[in-house]
Amino acid sequence: QQQVKQSPQSLIVQKGGISIINCAYENTAFDYFPWYQQFPGKGPALLIAIRPDVSEKKEGRFTISFNKSAKQFSLHIMDSQPGDSATYFCAASRETSGSRLTFGEGTQLTVNP
Amino acid sequence: NAGVTQTPKFRILKIGQSMTLQCTQDMNHNYMYWYRQDPGMGLKLIYYSVGAGITDKGEVPNGYNVSRSTTEDFPLRLELAAPSQTSVYFCASSLLTGFSNQPQHFGDGTRLSIL
Repeated sequence: QQQVKQSPQSLIVQKGGISIINCAYENTAFDYFPWYQQFPGKGPALLIAIRPDVSEKKEGRFTISFNKSAKQFSLHIMDSQPGDSATYFCAASRETSGSRLTFGEGTQLTVNP
Repeated sequence: NAGVTQTPKFRILKIGQSMTLQCTQDMNHNYMYWYRQDPGMGLKLIYYSVGAGITDKGEVPNGYNVSRSTTEDFPLRLELAAPSQTSVYFCASSLLTGFSNQPQHFGDGTRLSIL
């Protein structure tokens, strides 16, 4: 089964700290790894994505680190802010399957002021 | 440009009742998806469609049906509601160009309780 395992389930960070969320996948055919952010009462929205030909991608305070040999990838949120408090989902897909995504279980991030 | 619109936002059903969750998008996206979200379980794909007239099963299709008669609309049908179908349902759409993955755009969900 094509699974994506995400940890931790919940995370509490102080304002200004670094938030780190980890994901591991099984299917080596996966070649697209997005992260989605979801606020309460809203649908998920794409935050940042990476392909396996690079080991890191940074967009502002958000960075994806990718380890192909370990089949792991992680989201780092630098200088975490209370407005970052949300649920974060990692996902994976194969380009040949179109845009079908397999999601991780989600991480509820709380950033305390 | 409204994006992906889902109706209703909330609904309570009795066991055995049927209903249709509506989803429409105005971005001319060819791909559309239905997910259910349960606490601690992430999002599970129920059905998806690659274009009008074409649908396929996802990971958890049992108890649901879909149709795609137009590019814009992708309704999800529950025929005999069961308590296990209590969940938050999300519709999403994306534009597939060649083999390039494009982001999925989600609606704000339908919260369904079956009692």
